[in-house]
Amino acid sequence: SQQGEEDPQALSIQEGENATMNCSYKTSINNLQWYRQNSGRGLVHLILIRSNEREKHSGRLRVTLDTSKKSSSLLITASRAADTASYFCATDAFGNEKLTFGTGTRLTIIP
Amino acid sequence: NAGVMQNPRHLVRRRGQEARLRCSPMKGHSHVYWYRQLPEEGLKFMVYLQKENIIDESGMPKERFSAEFPKEGPSILRIQQVVRGDSAAYFCASSLPVRASVAFFGQGTRLTVV
Repeated sequence: SQQGEEDPQALSIQEGENATMNCSYKTSINNLQWYRQNSGRGLVHLILIRSNEREKHSGRLRVTLDTSKKSSSLLITASRAADTASYFCATDAFGNEKLTFGTGTRLTIIP
Repeated sequence: NAGVMQNPRHLVRRRGQEARLRCSPMKGHSHVYWYRQLPEEGLKFMVYLQKENIIDESGMPKERFSAEFPKEGPSILRIQQVVRGDSAAYFCASSLPVRASVAFFGQGTRLTVV
């Protein structure tokens, strides 16, 4: 079964609005990463947050991590049409570097 | 520094044939991962390899699938006697041999079994 579950499964917003996606996971993690996948393409790494970190920023991206709730959120501010893609969270555990992916959130930005 | 290279990008095989997918990791990366993605779904972990070693193959089907990462050359994911259900996108990722290393993905190989 998937370690991560993204919520919502699909999200449509107007260009310029903020988009928030959530990821929940089941077991203790070492790191949590967010990736973007444009249709039919490979995954692009966005941001990594370690288990001892609570918040991280990168440009228009803000990631939070709540290990007590086993959840993370990805906020994209001032969305653009080019942000249209599927977004996945991925976790790895201590002593096990393999990345386990969630089911993804499909984000559509309406121009 | 070229990214992760996968070839072929598209592969069509008839049922019963063999499919061989190649992945050349980024320079300096000694860890390779293979994932399978069905349409509209997330990525399912298949296997994690280091040079000449399989570290974790818990996601590999027990039959017909095998993977290797030799000392020289690309990593190979081999599917014998393909069936229609093997049709999917197969992604390879590579990373440095350090904890919390970012995985870089290739563009994938889309396998279609006819």
